[in-house]
Amino acid sequence: GQQVKQSSPSLTVQEGGISILNCDYENDMFDYFAWYKKYPDNSPTLLISVRSNVDKREDGRLTVFLNKSGKHFSLHITASQPEDTAVYLCAAGANQGGSAKLIFGEGTKLTVSS
Amino acid sequence: EAAVTQSPRSKVAVTGGKVTLSCHQTNNHDYMYWYRQDTGHGLRLIHYSYVADSTEKGDIPDGYKASRPSQENFSLILELASLSQTAVYFCASSDPGGLTGQLYFGEGSKLTVL
Repeated sequence: GQQVKQSSPSLTVQEGGISILNCDYENDMFDYFAWYKKYPDNSPTLLISVRSNVDKREDGRLTVFLNKSGKHFSLHITASQPEDTAVYLCAAGANQGGSAKLIFGEGTKLTVSS
Repeated sequence: EAAVTQSPRSKVAVTGGKVTLSCHQTNNHDYMYWYRQDTGHGLRLIHYSYVADSTEKGDIPDGYKASRPSQENFSLILELASLSQTAVYFCASSDPGGLTGQLYFGEGSKLTVL
């Protein structure tokens, strides 16, 4: 089954508003959580990440909230702008036995309308 | 700046044919990954490697083989291409020393199987 899930395939937000993107995961061993941004015909790039020892991390207009008991993390984008329009992929992973792999969600297409 | 290059960038293959996708990184990273992107599925991990001459199965390895002849190179091999393997394939490398999550992706290889 899908270990990392993004329940909303798409989201539309007005310019200047707050975009909230959600991600749920299944594996209790995950200790690393990240958000990647992907424009059409481009490769994904890391936006922001957080380890399991913190429940919140801010970076400019971006904030990641981590709820380990609920196996849920989210990305908040304040003052959303048209250039934020992209697909956002959440990802989670864990170090296990010397190997490491990152599992991605299905993606949420964010559209910021002006 | 991290550099991951993939070849070919685009390929049309016939059903039953052999396809090799190549990936080269100049980041001195130990970890390399192959993901496929499909609409509605985000990025799914096919194979990965954390040391030369060794590969690991990801979440969807069936129908794919991988080869890591050196730290810099990681190939994905489709021995008998099928229609269902039409997708965009992304190679990535990540920082050595365990899971930091900072994946550096290549530009993607668009494979169409007819």
